[in-house]
Parts: sequence; structure tokens; C-alpha cells
Amino acid sequence: GQQVMQIPQYQHVQEGEDFTTYCNSSTTLSNIQWYKQRPGGHPVFLIQLVKSGEVKKQKRLTFQFGEAKKNSSLHITATQTTDVGTYFCAGSTRDDKIIFGKGTRLHILP
Amino acid sequence: DGGITQSPKYLFRKEGQNVTLSCEQNLNHDAMYWYRQDPGQGLRLIYYSQIVNDFQKGDIAEGYSVSREKKESFPLTVTSAQKNPTAFYLCASSMVGQGNQPQHFGDGTRLSIL
Repeated sequence: GQQVMQIPQYQHVQEGEDFTTYCNSSTTLSNIQWYKQRPGGHPVFLIQLVKSGEVKKQKRLTFQFGEAKKNSSLHITATQTTDVGTYFCAGSTRDDKIIFGKGTRLHILP
Repeated sequence: DGGITQSPKYLFRKEGQNVTLSCEQNLNHDAMYWYRQDPGQGLRLIYYSQIVNDFQKGDIAEGYSVSREKKESFPLTVTSAQKNPTAFYLCASSMVGQGNQPQHFGDGTRLSIL
């Protein structure tokens, strides 16, 4: 079946270091969304990418959608303690199904 | 202030008992969703509804039931047929449009077995 694989599952970084999480789909996606879930909280929508090769920035966060629309990445520059949480990608298939990745849990070491 | 309200926040179920989780939204969204999240796992879709009086099964619908009698409300019943119900349940809503629209999530309900 259709899958969205997300790596790594966990990442520990020193505060101030960069962080990247990757999403890969077995099929071409119509769009991809990114969500952040703080510990004990609920997922919060961050951004949606639609176009092939699209790059969007939100302050220290950079989101990319691959040329083939099968992969995506989220890069955080100079992590801060407020970045702690689990980052999920969610890909939309051509029949409008949405498939969530398992998430990457980010820990920040002070 | 618009949003999604899930209740209760914590719920305990006895063996053989059905329990119902509430989800209400005042965002005027047509689509509503129920997800199950297990520790360290992603979100798995249980049921979704894009219009009142209509809903579809997601990937793990067995042991669950839903209704959509009002646009604002999408309650989820965890039946006794669901043998492993302990999980974090998240309700979400979104607009309906071309492609999937961003989803807004409630605070969730944590269900445990007594």
C-alpha cells in the first residue's frame, strides 16, 4: 500500500545545531503538509507544499518538496529549546487520501 | 475564538464496555477526522467525514463507530470489539477543497483500560 516513510525516528542535537527530517513516499504526492506536536500536545499545522521543487521558509525553518514530488524535508537552523517536539509530514495522494509519516522526535540538549 | 473541543481529556474503559469520545468544532469545517496515536507512533486514520450524514472508514476502522448528524459534531464510539483500545485519540477538522486542506486538531482524549 501507499506509504510515507519519515527518517530519522529520533534526533538529539545540541542547542544551536541544525536539524533535518526527511519524508519519502512510494508514490507521487499531490501535496505535502508538515505538522509539529509538542510533548503532551496535539499536532499543529506548519505549512503545505504543492509545487514540484518548492521551497518555503518560516524564520529558522526551511521546507522543501522534491522535483518528483515524492520526497520532502524540513530543516531547522540553529535549534532552540522551543523546537522540541515531534515533526510529522503528511502526504496527499492523487485520490485525496492523506498519509502521515511516523514522525521525527527532536530532543534538544542544553 | 474558533477551535476544536474534545472531551473528556482522560477516559477509562472497563472490559466489554462501549465508550464515546466527543468532538465538536466551531470552525465551520465540512470535513472531520478521527485518528489514533500510539506511543512513539504516527497518526492512523480511523474514520473521516466530508459531509453531514456521510462518513468513510479509514485504515483501522474495526472496533470503532462514528456518526455525523451535525456539521459541528463527530463523536467516536470505541466498542467492546476493539481489543486494544488504549491510545491517544485525536479529532481534526478541515475545509474541503481541491487536494487535502490543513487539518486543525483538538487536544485529544487519552483512553485507558481498567
